[in-house]
Amino acid sequence: GAVVSQHPSWVICKSGTSVKIECRSLDFQATTMFWYRQFPKQSLMLMATSNEGSKATYEQGVEKDKFLINHASLTLSTLTVTSAHPEDSSFYICSAHYSYEQYFGPGTRLTVT
Amino acid sequence: EDQVTQSPEALRLQEGESSSLNCSYTVSGLRGLFWYRQDPGKGPEFLFTLYSAGEEKEKERLKATLTKKESFLHITAPKPEDSATYLCAVQAGSSGSRLTFGEGTQLTVNP
Repeated sequence: GAVVSQHPSWVICKSGTSVKIECRSLDFQATTMFWYRQFPKQSLMLMATSNEGSKATYEQGVEKDKFLINHASLTLSTLTVTSAHPEDSSFYICSAHYSYEQYFGPGTRLTVT
Repeated sequence: EDQVTQSPEALRLQEGESSSLNCSYTVSGLRGLFWYRQDPGKGPEFLFTLYSAGEEKEKERLKATLTKKESFLHITAPKPEDSATYLCAVQAGSSGSRLTFGEGTQLTVNP
């Protein structure tokens, strides 16, 4: 139980385009999901908290207009990287809160060329 | 501000050589301390949650313990497949369900 999936697992896009990443809780409902990014050899950095039916809460320094988060249902949250640039290339990971614990998706590798 | 410090940054062990990883924390009102395992290119895999000082949890060769200032992840007779980065995170009472992560310990177990 408590499985979280992400799609796609990797994506390459051109600079200036937008890319959407999906995060799904497969066997439970998650009112709260989280989005992280991780650079090589570094730990996870929380970007935002996604709450079903309400606006996301962004961490300090994260541009809300660049990283659009939508949590339209209890099993799906999406992160859209708008007008992507090479510096947005990173590993993006989502997690879902369930029964006092947090379960992570497998991650999405984004490369912006 | 919640802080989590993990040590050592990297640890190399021979197969069968037991050791411990440390996670020191400063948090206002600990709700839970979490241990995860992360393999390269993958998301963190949940291992344990500890809620109060004195609590211990075990899973195969891993045992996690908690005091009021730190947590230890003990690895008994490790195998090469235990090689991974181990992440510690805390959840504070004032931060909802947000986690604050440490930098991780990269464990390598040589055959």
